[in-house]
Amino acid sequence: EVQLVESGGGLVQPGGSLRLSCAASGFTFSNYWMHWVRQAPGKGLVWVSHINNDGSATNYADSVKGRFTISRDNAKNTLYLQMNSLRAEDTAVYYCARRGDGGFFDYWGQGTLVTVSS
Amino acid sequence: DIVMTQSPDSLAVSLGERATINCKSSQSVLHSSNNKNYLAWYQLKPGQPPKVLIYWASTRESGVPDRFRGSGSGTDFTLTISSLQAEDVAVYYCQQYYSTPYTFGQGTKLEIK
Repeated sequence: EVQLVESGGGLVQPGGSLRLSCAASGFTFSNYWMHWVRQAPGKGLVWVSHINNDGSATNYADSVKGRFTISRDNAKNTLYLQMNSLRAEDTAVYYCARRGDGGFFDYWGQGTLVTVSS
Repeated sequence: DIVMTQSPDSLAVSLGERATINCKSSQSVLHSSNNKNYLAWYQLKPGQPPKVLIYWASTRESGVPDRFRGSGSGTDFTLTISSLQAEDVAVYYCQQYYSTPYTFGQGTKLEIK
């Protein structure tokens, strides 16, 4: 059974940093591209970033470019999102999601809440 | 960026009746190389992760009840629930995965009338 479990969320002050993790199991992690998607309170889903299967290629939404870094450790079956210079507008539930064979997002984690507030 | 616009924003339908949600993209998501529409539909219930219902605009994901149907091509798409069940109460999102940034519609909240 495919499982994605996020962790690392919490309360952080504006300008602070946080690193999210997504532990994957039930599939060959190194074969799949992975994504981060977020949902601010009362708002819709917004794609944040993706990384290819070996970590050599990444892409970011303009809103996080230069502040967030996506990475992965295939030996540990774990996806990461390093978030720096956090702003109030980064407050959201952050989901990791697997890119399915067709390109759509076929499995999602339960999400981890990040709150940026003083 | 491709802008995805859903309508309506919210919808109340009686149990057993049909629910229809529309999604329009600001540019075509039909890829000429394989004639596939890079359009997916997701269901989001409180406290649960998003679940893919439909991909390639009309292919139902394994395990999704056949009352869910996706249709459309190019820039105009529809998700139809043929006979609404209580467990279908959720927010539904369309998404294009044709190009980055992968964009979602604003969501349609579906409730029971």
